[in-house]
Formats: sequence, C-alpha cells, structure tokens
Amino acid sequence: DTGVSQDPRHKITKRGQNVTFRCDPISEHNRLYWYRQTLGQGPEFLTYFQNEAQLEKSRLLSDRFSAERPKGSFSTLEIQRTEQGDSAMYLCASSPGTGQGNTEAFFGQGTRLTVV
Amino acid sequence: QKEVEQDPGPLSVPEGAIVSLNCTYSNSAFQYFMWYRQYSRKGPELLMYTYSSGNKEDGRFTAQVDKSSKYISLFIRDSQPSDSATYLCAMNDYKLSFGAGTTVTVRA
Repeated sequence: DTGVSQDPRHKITKRGQNVTFRCDPISEHNRLYWYRQTLGQGPEFLTYFQNEAQLEKSRLLSDRFSAERPKGSFSTLEIQRTEQGDSAMYLCASSPGTGQGNTEAFFGQGTRLTVV
Repeated sequence: QKEVEQDPGPLSVPEGAIVSLNCTYSNSAFQYFMWYRQYSRKGPELLMYTYSSGNKEDGRFTAQVDKSSKYISLFIRDSQPSDSATYLCAMNDYKLSFGAGTTVTVRA
C-alpha cells in the first residue's frame, strides 16, 4: 500500500496519560499535515511540515501538543496530559507541494482517540 | 465567520438523481479547490481538484469554481447508493481549509 499510513487506528486512554501517533506519508511527498476532526465537523488544521521543518502551528495546538518530522519522512504527534476534549479523529495528510501550488493532499485513515 | 461555509444537510435523494453540493468562502487568496468524500470513520478521499475558476469533469462528477462569487459546486450525476457519504469541500493558500461537510444519502 503506497498511501498515507497512520498508526494506531484506534487509541483509548485515560485522562492525564500521554499518547503518541505516527504518520507515514506517501513516499517523496514533501509536505505533511496534521488535522483534527470531531463528529459532524470538517477537519481542522493543526500543523504542517515542509520536509523536516515545522512551518506553522494552529492556535488549536496547545502546549500539550507537539509534532515532529525527523529527517523529513514519518511524523509523530504527541499529546501530553490528555483531556476528554482531545477525543477526536486525528488525520494526517501529505502532498508533493514545494510552494503554494501543487497542494493536492492525500489523507490517511486517521487515528481515533478516545479519552476516558 | 468561518473561512469556508458548507451546508451540513443532510441531503437525501433517490437513486439516479443529480446531487448538487456547494460551498462559499471568504479568503481571496484561495487558488486551489478540492472535494473530498468521507465514509463513516474513514479518512477523506480526494475526488476532484481544480485550480482557479472554471469547470472540471470526471465521470459522473463535475466541479465548478466561481472565484468572482467565492462559490464552488460539486454535481454528481446519476447518483448511486454507493455515493452515500459526507462530502467535504476544501481550499487552500498553503494549507487546506475545510467546510463542515454535507451528508448525502442516495436512496435505492
């Protein structure tokens, strides 16, 4: 499968625990995005990388959230001290774009987080 | 006001009908316009991708962009029950901004 891969698909955690999600983008895609989606809403932008550089973070991304993309390949999204409001689908997408153009983005299947 | 507005529906049509979906937006910097289809508990799947104003057709799907009105549309001809899903419009300057999604049900 050469699409965007996310792991795990589902995660149930207790409030206050830390969780980490992984995203493997389509090979050679320079851009990688993280989005969060709650029921009945469209995906909300969290952050994106151009290769290994994190270029923007949404104000939705509190200091409990951190994302990395070492070596410009896979990416991880960590949530520390999880809260019930963090329960959502976390989506990763990648695109070949190197500028403002060419931003046709392909999504993974998402990681569904439930905080109990 | 959100950057991208999309009527969440739901929209229910009989099989074979034309489905018409639309979004409005406020950011003049948007140049690329996309429609995604999302099935329940799955990631969004890219359907169509259009640059600037104009029409684009792909099989039963037609996307229209009117930048002067900040209005985009997706038409699905000869709709099938398998088209039942949530349809998301998205547009970008350097990141994708999404509408809330319209839930469509095609009745057999």
